[in-house]
Amino acid sequence: DVKVTQSSRYLVKRTGEKVFLECVQDMDHENMFWYRQDPGLGLRLIYFSYDVKMKEKGDIPEGYSVSREKKERFSLILESASTNQTSMYLCASRGPGVFEQPQHFGDGTRLSIL
Amino acid sequence: GDSVTQMEGPVTLSEEAFLTINCTYTATGYPSLFWYVQYPGEGLQLLLKATKADDKGSNKGFEATYRKETTSFHLEKGSVQVSDSAVYFCALSGAGGSEKLVFGKGTKLTVNP
Repeated sequence: DVKVTQSSRYLVKRTGEKVFLECVQDMDHENMFWYRQDPGLGLRLIYFSYDVKMKEKGDIPEGYSVSREKKERFSLILESASTNQTSMYLCASRGPGVFEQPQHFGDGTRLSIL
Repeated sequence: GDSVTQMEGPVTLSEEAFLTINCTYTATGYPSLFWYVQYPGEGLQLLLKATKADDKGSNKGFEATYRKETTSFHLEKGSVQVSDSAVYFCALSGAGGSEKLVFGKGTKLTVNP
């Protein structure tokens, strides 16, 4: 089974801090994704990456950046955290190429910005 | 643009009742369709998938059939259990060649003993 591991289940940070959320997958997947999940808004794609050092903006990239230095690791960075970034963050990975491959999700990081 | 519409929740059923959660989609091309489930405090797990018209996905007693003529992918289970209480998400990918997984907003199911 694919395992996607997010470094923290719960995280509390302060406004203005630089925040790193880490995600690691163990299946050598090319594609990795970051979503945020908010009540009433569902899941929204922030960024995705289809290879090392490659990234693409999703639907809501503002205020975020990403890093993919190694194939198994995809980091989400909040450059200067704000209270409206309080949310559940979900990382996912997917195998090569074809769209019928499902995405596999981690358990999520619940981030609170105070 | 591409979109997924699921029935609004919450849905509350008694154990052993029949479950249907409706899902319809709007997409270009021929997307793949998925149902994901999210148990309290956890991430999303793939429940089932279908990749072409008339395919039926099934898992753990749940079923859904890819209906191109009605652009639907309704989730059904004949007899729900308390352990099925969760949020269910319908999703599509590959529409118009896009990498994106487009989700519905989720339907919360509560099953009472």
